[in-house]
Amino acid sequence: DTGVSQDPRHKITKRGQNVTFRCDPISEHNRLYWYRQTLGQGPEFLTYFQNEAQLEKSRLLSDRFSAERPKGSFSTLEIQRTEQGDSAMYLCASSPGQPGNEQFFGPGTRLTVL
Amino acid sequence: AQSVTQLDSQVPVFEEAPVELRCNYSSSVSVYLFWYVQYPNQGLQLLLKYLSGSTLVKGINGFEAEFNKSQTSFHLRKPSVHISDTAEYFCAVSDRGTGTASKLTFGTGTRLQVTL
Repeated sequence: DTGVSQDPRHKITKRGQNVTFRCDPISEHNRLYWYRQTLGQGPEFLTYFQNEAQLEKSRLLSDRFSAERPKGSFSTLEIQRTEQGDSAMYLCASSPGQPGNEQFFGPGTRLTVL
Repeated sequence: AQSVTQLDSQVPVFEEAPVELRCNYSSSVSVYLFWYVQYPNQGLQLLLKYLSGSTLVKGINGFEAEFNKSQTSFHLRKPSVHISDTAEYFCAVSDRGTGTASKLTFGTGTRLQVTL
């Protein structure tokens, strides 16, 4: 199966620690998205890459959050100095270039901040 | 700015009964419309999407949805549900414009619970 993969699937950390998540998109997809989903809510957009360029960031993405997509392949999302409010499911999605194309989602990384 | 409202947080239904999950949206620009399903411990999966053309869209697993521009709605329907349809369903929109991120704006979801 060559779908979107995310690693790790679960992460438990203590408040104040840094965490990094990885997303491997479908190989031919040039668009990559990060979303965050909290309990009882729909996913909320965090940031978007087209190839290696980060083209849009949500106001939800505080300066403790940083995302990269070196060489336009996999992407990483780092959260520095985690807070309990960062506890959520972090979802990655990829799609081919045109608007309206389906976004294919990975299984997510569930973050718990103690 | 765009927003999506799913009025029903939970919909209980008996197996083989019909179901409708409601979705209304608000946007200052033209949008594409999507329904995604999330099974427990799995990623989101696309059920169907409306891009243009016929307002009645058919998707996977026997689901269909109808786009109503005047009512800004995109309700999801299935004539006969199965136990396996138990899941969380999300309605979403994205901007039609070229050169945009086409990020998805989701509703809060509707939990479909199918029982015998």
